[in-house]
Amino acid sequence: LAKTTQPISMDSYEGQEVNITCSHNNIATNDYITWYQQFPSQGPRFIIQGYKTKVTNEVASLFIPADRKSSTLSLPRVSLSDTAVYYCLLYGGSQGNLIFGKGTKLSVKP
Amino acid sequence: DVKVTQSSRYLVKRTGEKVFLECVQDMDHENMFWYRQDPGLGLRLIYFSYDVKMKEKGDIPEGYSVSREKKERFSLILESASTNQTSMYLCASSLVRNYEQYFGPGTRLTVT
Repeated sequence: LAKTTQPISMDSYEGQEVNITCSHNNIATNDYITWYQQFPSQGPRFIIQGYKTKVTNEVASLFIPADRKSSTLSLPRVSLSDTAVYYCLLYGGSQGNLIFGKGTKLSVKP
Repeated sequence: DVKVTQSSRYLVKRTGEKVFLECVQDMDHENMFWYRQDPGLGLRLIYFSYDVKMKEKGDIPEGYSVSREKKERFSLILESASTNQTSMYLCASSLVRNYEQYFGPGTRLTVT
């Protein structure tokens, strides 16, 4: 069964680019990689999803190397409001393989 | 906007009680999920459902059951609550099975 590993915490300053990496050595062929953001007292919120290479949307980019054993969420020019916990998720849509990481607590300072 | 609602934000129950946690989504999603979230452990999948009256076990189903009689509603049942089930419970739904999940605000359950 696939397992994900993320840094427990990261610090950054406003305006910087932040990269959070998730390791998933045993990722299955069918698994997609999804990232979620969670603020205190709220449920997680979808940020971005990818299968391989690079995906970009209005809030983030997701980089996935060819071997898919890791993925990197990139947040450009963070602000104080990006302070949150970020989770990576592996999920192929089938039973028994929905794996959330334990989350990375990002603290953005002024 | 998709809305996922959970019946309670906070709940306090006694050991041995039967507990019902209700989740309702308003976007006609087929897929629904129940998670528990604990400090340092992240989110762990308890049960999920891909259709009415259908359920599948997740990683930690022991001590829990679920019911999905209607498409929009997915209930989590603790048959006999125990103190180790004190946790934050999150419900989610999705249109496509492995794509974006929409989460409810969570129910913080305390079992004393």
